[in-house]
Amino acid sequence: EAGVTQFPSHSVIEKGQTVTLRCDPISGHDNLYWYRRVMGKEIKFLLHFVKESKQDESGMPNNRFLAERTGGTYSTLKVQPAELEDSGVYFCASSPAVPNYGYTFGSGTRLTVV
Amino acid sequence: AQSVTQPDIHITVSEGASLELRCNYSYGATPYLFWYVQSPGQGLQLLLKYFSGDTLVQGIKGFEAEFKRSQSSFNLRKPSVHWSDAAEYFCAVGEWGTGANNLFFGTGTRLTVIP
Repeated sequence: EAGVTQFPSHSVIEKGQTVTLRCDPISGHDNLYWYRRVMGKEIKFLLHFVKESKQDESGMPNNRFLAERTGGTYSTLKVQPAELEDSGVYFCASSPAVPNYGYTFGSGTRLTVV
Repeated sequence: AQSVTQPDIHITVSEGASLELRCNYSYGATPYLFWYVQSPGQGLQLLLKYFSGDTLVQGIKGFEAEFKRSQSSFNLRKPSVHWSDAAEYFCAVGEWGTGANNLFFGTGTRLTVIP
């Protein structure tokens, strides 16, 4: 079984540019989550999809962040325009339909905004 | 509000020595507790979890953790550390049953293992 796949693994962009991160969950997993870790800080929840619907987006920092999950499969997280404080590692995770504990995380996308 | 404190940012131990990583949480109800590990270039891997029952939980790679409600702690232990255990370790508390399904993480503890 393939794990949760994220790409790119690294991205360096200039302030003001747009970046799109992608997450492919484990096949059949209805729940998809995005988390972010800013350097030296804790990993923080951003949002939760159930299939294609946003179940909880209370952690999204502002309206420069847009998450989508077309058809309930892969998800994208777009940052537009990127700011310096958006730098960090963005993790995606997925879990089966029955909310089960201990998601499967991807290896993350390291975003650097310069 | 839920929160997790990992007071040790960085710990160095010798290979073969015992290890204890500290975790304290703040949560109103009975927490669901987790330890994750991130090795370089890898994702977050679940080591173990506690939901209820026996307060001593066994995980993968020889790790265990003990839930102590009176101390609001969930410390991770390993009797003999291997060089491959060098990684970053995260404690997390889950907020299930309230309509939310997200985890609250600590800031992580980086473990260095010396020969």
